[in-house]
Amino acid sequence: EDKVVQSPLSLVVHEGDTVTLNCSYEVTNFRSLLWYKQEKKAPTFLFMLTSSGIEKKSGRLSSILDKKELFSILNITATQTGDSAIYLCAVLIRTSGSRLTFGEGTQLTVNP
Amino acid sequence: DGGITQSPKYLFRKEGQNVTLSCEQNLNHDAMYWYRQDPGQGLRLIYYSQIVNDFQKGDIAEGYSVSREKKESFPLTVTSAQKNPTAFYLCASARVGSDTQYFGPGTRLTVL
Repeated sequence: EDKVVQSPLSLVVHEGDTVTLNCSYEVTNFRSLLWYKQEKKAPTFLFMLTSSGIEKKSGRLSSILDKKELFSILNITATQTGDSAIYLCAVLIRTSGSRLTFGEGTQLTVNP
Repeated sequence: DGGITQSPKYLFRKEGQNVTLSCEQNLNHDAMYWYRQDPGQGLRLIYYSQIVNDFQKGDIAEGYSVSREKKESFPLTVTSAQKNPTAFYLCASARVGSDTQYFGPGTRLTVL
């Protein structure tokens, strides 16, 4: 059975802190790994990773994939209160329909 | 405006009633998906469709039904057979062959 596990499930930090969110996976026919940010409603796309060791960056957010050890991390530097959200990791497998398997999510709270 | 719309935003239903959630997209995407999200859990796939008049069951299809008569529309019916329907329902779409799914704003269903 395909499985995606995120840790921690919940994290509370102060503004300015740096956080690292983890995502490990056990799936057959891996194709890519995606990160989404969910504030109140619709998850919004952050990154898609397909190759090991290549960092993707967008402002204060960055992510990297390790296909040998089967995990990815999402880093957020100099956190702001607007970073408070649920961060979802999902893995795409190589079957018809491009099915995403999601982890439970990490609830990040950034306090002023 | 291009995007995915879901309606209604909030829905209340009595036990034993069927209810239909709407999902429309004008992104010209072929693939559409329905997910369910419960508190503290990630998204779980209910049904998906890659082409008009064709759809496949996801991981938790029991108690749900869908139709795909038009490319733009993928309504989800929550039937009385669904034992625990109170949840947040998210619709997504993607271009066939693309790994990135884009989400609608969601419908929060409460069964009274």
